[in-house]
Amino acid sequence: AQSVTQLDSQVPVFEEAPVELRCNYSSSVSVYLFWYVQYPNQGLQLLLKYLSGSTLVKGINGFEAEFNKSQTSFHLRKPSVHISDTAEYFCAVISMNTGFQKLVFGTGTRLLVSP
Amino acid sequence: DAMVIQNPRYQVTQFGKPVTLSCSQTLNHNVMYWYQQKSSQAPKLLFHYYDKDFNNEADTPDNFQSRRPNTSFCFLDIRSPGLGDAAMYLCATSELWALADYEQYFGPGTRLTVT
Repeated sequence: AQSVTQLDSQVPVFEEAPVELRCNYSSSVSVYLFWYVQYPNQGLQLLLKYLSGSTLVKGINGFEAEFNKSQTSFHLRKPSVHISDTAEYFCAVISMNTGFQKLVFGTGTRLLVSP
Repeated sequence: DAMVIQNPRYQVTQFGKPVTLSCSQTLNHNVMYWYQQKSSQAPKLLFHYYDKDFNNEADTPDNFQSRRPNTSFCFLDIRSPGLGDAAMYLCATSELWALADYEQYFGPGTRLTVT
């Protein structure tokens, strides 16, 4: 079975600083990888996804992520954060061996951007 | 805009009093999901419908039921809510096996309080 580990439960950062949110996955088969963002009292919104092709994926709001198969990682980065980026970020994986596209989430990383 | 709508956004119910949460979609997707998300945790899949086929997760309590009368609507019924069922309930949709798109589209959620 696949699993996702988000190593940091909380990441504090100052506005305009760069940030990296870490995500590692484990799976014995091919996976598709996602990052979702959740603002307070709202649903989840897709930031970006990796299905195939280029390992550097660009998403919305200036975020990007790099798929590294050898390190089984899919870290999320942004070169300069804004106050409005304060939210919970979830890494997730879909395994293609189950016959059903079950999304497995990590435990989330809370990004706290301060002035 | 095509979207996933959840009503109500906030629901208060009494211990043991049945409650129904609703979800509708204009995306015409064939899969609809219900997730439970407790405070500071990742969303947990309760069940999903692929068209009219209901698929329960193995660890979903019997207290939780669902109905999907048509493609657009899906309901979550909690037969006898306990204090531990207080959570955000997220509805999501996707198109199974759609090429180049494995995204799940989330509604804004219903926050359930049990008194």
